[in-house]
Amino acid sequence: AQTVTQSQPEMSVQEAETVTLSCTYDTSESDYYLFWYKQPPSRQMILVIRQEAYKQQNATENRFSVNFQKAAKSFSLKISDSQLGDAAMYFCAYRSGGSRLTFGEGTQLTVNP
Amino acid sequence: DGGITQSPKYLFRKEGQNVTLSCEQNLNHDAMYWYRQDPGQGLRLIYYSQIVNDFQKGDIAEGYSVSREKKESFPLTVTSAQKNPTAFYLCASSSLWGGLHEQYFGPGTRLTVT
Repeated sequence: AQTVTQSQPEMSVQEAETVTLSCTYDTSESDYYLFWYKQPPSRQMILVIRQEAYKQQNATENRFSVNFQKAAKSFSLKISDSQLGDAAMYFCAYRSGGSRLTFGEGTQLTVNP
Repeated sequence: DGGITQSPKYLFRKEGQNVTLSCEQNLNHDAMYWYRQDPGQGLRLIYYSQIVNDFQKGDIAEGYSVSREKKESFPLTVTSAQKNPTAFYLCASSSLWGGLHEQYFGPGTRLTVT
C-alpha cells in the first residue's frame, strides 16, 4: 500500500520569510499525482497545489511552489513571503490509478509576526 | 455558486442512536468521498462512490453506511455499531475526467456523541 510521510509535525516561520514543508511517499507506480492541501482553523480543506508525476517541471502557484524529486520520492512545499493567513495544517496527498487519495499526517505551520 | 455543502456544521447525538450526515454538491462531479478526521491526525477514507448506485468501502468503513441515489448527494450514516463516532467528518467530490481528479471539500461536520 502507498504511504505518505510528513516528518515535521510542527513548523514555524517569521512573516515574510520562506519555509519548506517536507513530504515523502512510498510507491511502486510510475504514474501518479501529488497534492498539497491547507486546512486553516476553519477546518475547510483547500487545495494549494498539484503535480503530475510525469511532468519534470515543478508546479508553482503564486507564492507556493514544490520541489518534486521523483527518484527520491520527495514532494516538498515551499511557501515564499509567508503571510499570517498561511498559518494552517498542511497535508500532502498521493493518488495513483482510481480516485482514492492517501494523506500524510499533516504539518502544523505557525507564522510569527 | 458551485460547491459542496455539508449540514449541519455541529451535530450532537446520544450513544446508541444512528445519525445521518448530509453532503450535496453542484459541481457535476462523478465521484464523492467521506473522510474522518480525529484531532491532530490526517484524513482517513470511510467510503467513496464513483457512480450513482455504487460505492466502495474505504479504510475505516466499519460502523458506517452510505447511499448514492443521486449524483449530487452522498449521505453518510453513522450507526450505533461505530465504537468511537465522535470526530470531524469531511465530504469531498471530484471529476473523473482528465488525470488529476482533484478532490474538493465541503466545510465539514463536527459530530459529538455522548
